[in-house]
Parts: sequence; C-alpha cells; structure tokens
Amino acid sequence: DAGVIQSPRHEVTEMGQEVTLRCKPISGHNSLFWYRQTMMRGLELLIYFNNNVPIDDSGMPEDRFSAKMPNASFSTLKIQPSEPRDSAVYFCASSWGVGSGTYNEQFFGPGTRLTVL
Amino acid sequence: QKEVEQDPGPLSVPEGAIVSLNCTYSNSAFQYFMWYRQYSRKGPELLMYTYSSGNKEDGRFTAQVDKSSKYISLFIRDSQPSDSATYLCAMSSYSGGYQKVTFGTGTKLQVIP
Repeated sequence: DAGVIQSPRHEVTEMGQEVTLRCKPISGHNSLFWYRQTMMRGLELLIYFNNNVPIDDSGMPEDRFSAKMPNASFSTLKIQPSEPRDSAVYFCASSWGVGSGTYNEQFFGPGTRLTVL
Repeated sequence: QKEVEQDPGPLSVPEGAIVSLNCTYSNSAFQYFMWYRQYSRKGPELLMYTYSSGNKEDGRFTAQVDKSSKYISLFIRDSQPSDSATYLCAMSSYSGGYQKVTFGTGTKLQVIP
C-alpha cells in the first residue's frame, strides 16, 4: 500500500487566494482526520470524518475553512480566503475504525506545507 | 493551560545515552497514551501505545504511564543517530462518539555520533 497520499507537498500563495489541499487515505480505512501543525500550537485536529461523514468539525478555526469527503478515497480541505496566519503544515491521517473501546492507529500522510504571503 | 504539556527541547545527547522524554496532562479522561516519532519534513508515525498505568517495552523503547500523577515517559536505551527526530506524546479519550487524540507539541531529540 502506498500509504496516505497528500497533494500538493508545498503550496505558496498570496493572502486572499483560495487554497485546496487534497488527501487520499489508505484503502480500506473508514476514518479520516485533517490536522494542522505549527511550532506554537503543535498538532491540532481540524476535522474528523467517519464513513465519509463529518463527525467532529469543532477544530475548524473559522468559516474560511471547509472540508469535504465525497467518497472513501478522497478528501479536500479548502481555505478561502487564505491569510498569513494559516501558514502551517497540514496533515491528513486515516485509520480503520474509531470505536470507543480501543485505540486505532492513525497513519499520517507526508503533509502539505502551506505558506501564505 | 494546555491539556498536554511537553518540553520542546531541543535535547542533545551522545550516541549510546539513555534518553528520557516526558509529558504531563490534566484531563483524567484520557485512556490511551501514545508516542509518535516525526522525522524532519515527514508525517508522525506511531512508536507505541499503552492503556492505563504501567510500563510497556518494545526493543530499545519503554513507555511508562503514571495516571495518578498524570505523567507519561518514553525511555530510549542505547540511543542511535537514527533516533534523531521530534517525539510527540499523544493521548486519547472517548469524546463525541470516538477516541479523540490530543497531541503534545513535541520534543526535538538529536543524538550525536
């Protein structure tokens, strides 16, 4: 398996532009997570999907952020309009099952390094 | 106050040293305790996880959880240059219908040959 695939790996854009990050989870995994990593705040959960349905979006910073998962093999995170404070590394992770009784390992992609000028 | 506190380092040790990495937490609902390793410009990868208090060993790595003190540790024996990375502690609790993971900010470790 190729693991979690993210694109682009690097994105440099200007303030006010729309940014779309893409993720392909590991085949067979039914849970998908979007995280944002910064030096100051570390790794923060933005949104969690289970079976393509958004379950927890409490970490989405504001309305400028939106995420979709149209099918089991693809998800997008969109920022519109982008701001310099959105500069961070964005990770996608997937896992099989996220039940209450056990911990299910999350497999992370390589991340997208976003710079907003 | 953050739910999970982790010293950012950096921590620099000579090859062969024993390394101790630590985190404290405030949420008593945390059930699983994990350590992730993140190499530069890569995504985090799970090293090991434990459930409840106690020790768990995997090769040169030992994870220790003390729930009474809300304190977890990762020990690395005979450290190698290839262990140079950022180590993230993480903890999960059942919240909103799933095991929600909270990460520490990471400790950067450098092992000098």
